[in-house]
Amino acid sequence: GAVVSQHPSRVICKSGTSVKIECRSLDFQATTMFWYRQFPKQSLMLMATSNEGSKATYEQGVEKDKFLINHASLTLSTLTVTSAHPEDSSFYICSASGGIEAFFGQGTRLTVV
Amino acid sequence: AQSVSQHNHHVILSEAASLELGCNYSYGGTVNLFWYVQYPGQHLQLLLKYFSGDPLVKGIKGFEAEFIKSKFSFNLRKPSVQWSDTAEYFCAVRPDSGGYQKVTFGTGTKLQVIP
Repeated sequence: GAVVSQHPSRVICKSGTSVKIECRSLDFQATTMFWYRQFPKQSLMLMATSNEGSKATYEQGVEKDKFLINHASLTLSTLTVTSAHPEDSSFYICSASGGIEAFFGQGTRLTVV
Repeated sequence: AQSVSQHNHHVILSEAASLELGCNYSYGGTVNLFWYVQYPGQHLQLLLKYFSGDPLVKGIKGFEAEFIKSKFSFNLRKPSVQWSDTAEYFCAVRPDSGGYQKVTFGTGTKLQVIP
């Protein structure tokens, strides 16, 4: 399958700071990228969908001003968690699709202290 | 909107035992169905998928799943598990209505295989 690289895999930040997570499709052009959040013992919850060159579509309940998503190119999308708080600590996973199928990054474990 | 239910949250099996993980979905139309696996410390990987045709789908590593439309089910099976199958398994569903539609995941089942 195609490769999606997510960076960093782990990050610890102080409360009130911002953190940027990158998601890259290495060997295909991702017209659509998805950002998920996974809570312990729970499913992957879709946060937002982004299409290259346009604004992201956020799921209900997800604060767009807190979780900034940029999909500036066909191979890169970024998720910035702004003014992070301990309750933002979670596992964030991106997924990229160039057609019907989607491929997942390895995830980012964010810990806000 | 679609939803997915996985009945078993944690399954413990001995090596060589048979495996069946339940997955039921709710959606009124045609769907695509997936099983993903997440090995410890690794990213999600596609095990198998059903789009159309033969409802018995074979995937990688000896896994298979059967789509039973009347039961809205897509259970995952493997006749003989190995220690290396220890992982978390996610069932997922997506409406089959053209383009890339939102994928909805189940809560996952942690499989622990004891040597």
